[in-house]
Amino acid sequence: DADVTQTPRNRITKTGKRIMLECSQTKGHDRMYWYRQDPGLGLRLIYYSFDVKDINKGEISDGYSVSRQAQAKFSLSLESAIPNQTALYFCATRGMTNTEAFFGQGTRLTVV
Amino acid sequence: KQEVTQIPAALSVPEGENLVLNCSFTDSAIYNLQWFRQDPGKGLTSLLLIQSSQREQTSGRLNASLDKSSGRSTLYIAASQPGDSATYLCAVRPLQTGANNLFFGTGTRLTVIP
Repeated sequence: DADVTQTPRNRITKTGKRIMLECSQTKGHDRMYWYRQDPGLGLRLIYYSFDVKDINKGEISDGYSVSRQAQAKFSLSLESAIPNQTALYFCATRGMTNTEAFFGQGTRLTVV
Repeated sequence: KQEVTQIPAALSVPEGENLVLNCSFTDSAIYNLQWFRQDPGKGLTSLLLIQSSQREQTSGRLNASLDKSSGRSTLYIAASQPGDSATYLCAVRPLQTGANNLFFGTGTRLTVIP
């Protein structure tokens, strides 16, 4: 089983719908992140969390919200999806300072 | 803002060839640099992590070097195989953001021809 698991793996949704992407990890890490990847732009940080009481905005947080339900679970919500949120979304985890980041398999989201 | 560049964007080589992938970054104040491999449908796999105090790291046929002062890293792949075909990403963790974020390049898409 993967250390960082994202669900769903693929999703097509309509403009204006609310959608939640979920991430769970078994690595015991305290830090969790959500990134999106767009062609030609690389990965960009949406939100990150250092523990269940800590939520921080990243570079491109507008239009998104997150919830850290437990140390192992971090979900990303699009309250009202729009077509330019079509992208590949990645969840990542990391332990204490200067350690490796580990990524999930990604969720391909299409907003039509 | 830290900017990370990977050149070339795509590379094709015959099987067995040794190759080098390049990564450059604009701000040398970094905690570490990480190389990833991205396969379609399989997410990102961490290959090597180099701390700012290190010059290189090795794993099997892979060797990553870091020259922090010049803002460069290279990933050397020895004796390339078709299974090495993937997109390779480098990412840096800057000092000034308190290690909260990774800044990614756009990747080099490698094709190893049998």
